Amino acid sequence: EVQLLESGGGLVQPGGSLRLSCVASGFTFNNYGMNWVRQAPGQGPEWVSAVSGSGESTYYADSVKGRFTISRDNSKNTLYLQMSSLRVEDTAVYYCAKDRWSTKPAHFDYWGQGTLVTVSS
Amino acid sequence: EIVLTQSPGTLSLSPGERATLSCRASQSLSSSYLAWYQQKPGQAPRLLIYGASSRATGIPDRFSGSGSGTDFTLTISRLEPEDFAVFYCQQYGSSPTFGQGTKVELK
Repeated sequence: EVQLLESGGGLVQPGGSLRLSCVASGFTFNNYGMNWVRQAPGQGPEWVSAVSGSGESTYYADSVKGRFTISRDNSKNTLYLQMSSLRVEDTAVYYCAKDRWSTKPAHFDYWGQGTLVTVSS
Repeated sequence: EIVLTQSPGTLSLSPGERATLSCRASQSLSSSYLAWYQQKPGQAPRLLIYGASSRATGIPDRFSGSGSGTDFTLTISRLEPEDFAVFYCQQYGSSPTFGQGTKVELK
């Protein structure tokens, strides 16, 4: 059974930093791309970032480029999202999502339960 | 950025009825790179359809997708009580984007 377990969310002030983690199990982790998708309260999902199965290629939405960094540790089956220069508009539930592809971001067949990030003073 | 526009915003139907949801892309999607998701309150989205018409693992055959280019449709042939939710389309021809959603509610 595929499982994705996020952690690291919380309350942070504007301009602050936070690191999210996602531990994966139930599939061969390095065979698949992984993504972060966020959803602000009452809004639709927004794709944030992706990393290829090997970790060599990364992709970012324009809204987070230069502020967020995605990475993965295939030896630990873990995905990360380092978030810095956080803004109020980054407030959302952040989901870790497994891709059906191994390279560029595509579509997401398994999702975690989400972790809430709140940016507020 | 490819913008996806979903219609209608809300669909009020009864169990057993047919639901037809539309998704229109601002640019033609190469290789029909279009997916559909269902989301219930307090839950993560669930992948229903990818490649415009392929059902994801475990998805009942009452869910079907069709379309190409810029116009896509999700059809639920006969609504079951557990189908009432918000549905999103998502494109992956370029940097992924989602539509704003269609809520299928109980009439």
